[in-house]
Amino acid sequence: SQELEQSPQSLIVQEGKNLTINCTSSKTLYGLYWYKQKYGEGLIFLMMLQKGGEEKSHEKITAKLDEKKQQSSLHITASQPSHAGIYLCGADIKDDYKLSFGAGTTVTVRA
Amino acid sequence: DTGVSQDPRHKITKRGQNVTFRCDPISEHNRLYWYRQTLGQGPEFLTYFQNEAQLEKSRLLSDRFSAERPKGSFSTLEIQRTEQGDSAMYLCASSLVGPGQGANEQFFGPGTRLTVL
Repeated sequence: SQELEQSPQSLIVQEGKNLTINCTSSKTLYGLYWYKQKYGEGLIFLMMLQKGGEEKSHEKITAKLDEKKQQSSLHITASQPSHAGIYLCGADIKDDYKLSFGAGTTVTVRA
Repeated sequence: DTGVSQDPRHKITKRGQNVTFRCDPISEHNRLYWYRQTLGQGPEFLTYFQNEAQLEKSRLLSDRFSAERPKGSFSTLEIQRTEQGDSAMYLCASSLVGPGQGANEQFFGPGTRLTVL
């Protein structure tokens, strides 16, 4: 079973619309990582959050970590076809640098 | 390109055969991780090295699996007597860990997709 729950499992969004992906753990997270994966390929690092309440942005992607460090969200503004792929959250749950991952969210952007 | 590289990218083998995969991490990174990913799931931790020392192995890593990092640089993952259940994407990641290094960002390679017939 996954120690991180991601929702939704998949989503289809019209190009130009916003989308949000959530990642939840029952345990305090020592680090929360967001990755993007194209089908059959490796993981591309997007962002890392460590502090409660932390928020980071890169281009049109914003990630937040809640104050309790148990929940994170990834928000994409004005989605584009290049945003399509599988988004994975990974977390250091035991403060030992190993990452546990959610099952991923498949994003489809329709023109 | 100075990212993490893996070889081969794809491997098809028959059940019972042995296979070996190679990972070359980012050169200054002291930590190297192996993960396994099956279809529709996130990666699952297998093992990791700090320099040449293998510090932890997951229960997923049966005795048919062995990993090495002999000189603290590249690593190999060998699977003996492959089974159909071993079919998966094997991912390697590396990071730099230590005093004053800050965040432990793990950078992943492109993966080796193993198909056991």
